[in-house]
Amino acid sequence: AQKVTQAQTEISVVEKEDVTLDCVYETRDTTYYLFWYKQPPSGELVFLIRRNSFDEQNEISGRYSWNFQKSTSSFNFTITASQVVDSAVYFCALSEMNRYDKIIFGKGTRLHILP
Amino acid sequence: KAGVTQTPRYLIKTRGQQVTLSCSPISGHRSVSWYQQTPGQGLQFLFEYFSETQRNKGNFPGRFSGRQFSNSRSEMNVSTLELGDSALYLCASSLAGGASSYNEQFFGPGTRLTVL
Repeated sequence: AQKVTQAQTEISVVEKEDVTLDCVYETRDTTYYLFWYKQPPSGELVFLIRRNSFDEQNEISGRYSWNFQKSTSSFNFTITASQVVDSAVYFCALSEMNRYDKIIFGKGTRLHILP
Repeated sequence: KAGVTQTPRYLIKTRGQQVTLSCSPISGHRSVSWYQQTPGQGLQFLFEYFSETQRNKGNFPGRFSGRQFSNSRSEMNVSTLELGDSALYLCASSLAGGASSYNEQFFGPGTRLTVL
């Protein structure tokens, strides 16, 4: 069975600090996708990144970076120099390679960036 | 290009009633998926429709049903509402979804259902 675990339910950091959100996944599939989504207070899920299981390269997008390690089944997300606008709930998710319509989500990490 | 729209945004019902939620996908998108989000269970997949056919179904009771129309708009119905059905119901659309090449899912703002 597939499972995504986000052990950190809530994190608070002061603005400009770096913060890492942890994600550990379980799957028997050899090919799969991993995702991160952001859910601001408005409720809409905003897509941040998709990574396929073949590609373990780390990715950086502005202040955001992702570290994918297959050996530890982890897909961690780091925000550098955090800003108040980063405050949201962040979800890590997993889907089979050919089943993007059915995404398995973690329980989410609520991130508070304090001014 | 308009995003995914969901109506109504908020809904209050009482136990035993039934409810219908609507989702209009992004123009040109043919796959619509539904998710339920609750504080206890988090985000859970309900079902997915493509070309008016349900292709996938999550682990929910038969009280939860849906359909898709020829214009790809989708409705979700919950009959005999229970207190535990109170949740944010999110709809997502993609070009094709499923086994085709990757198509990103775009989510709507959700419908918040409260069952009293």
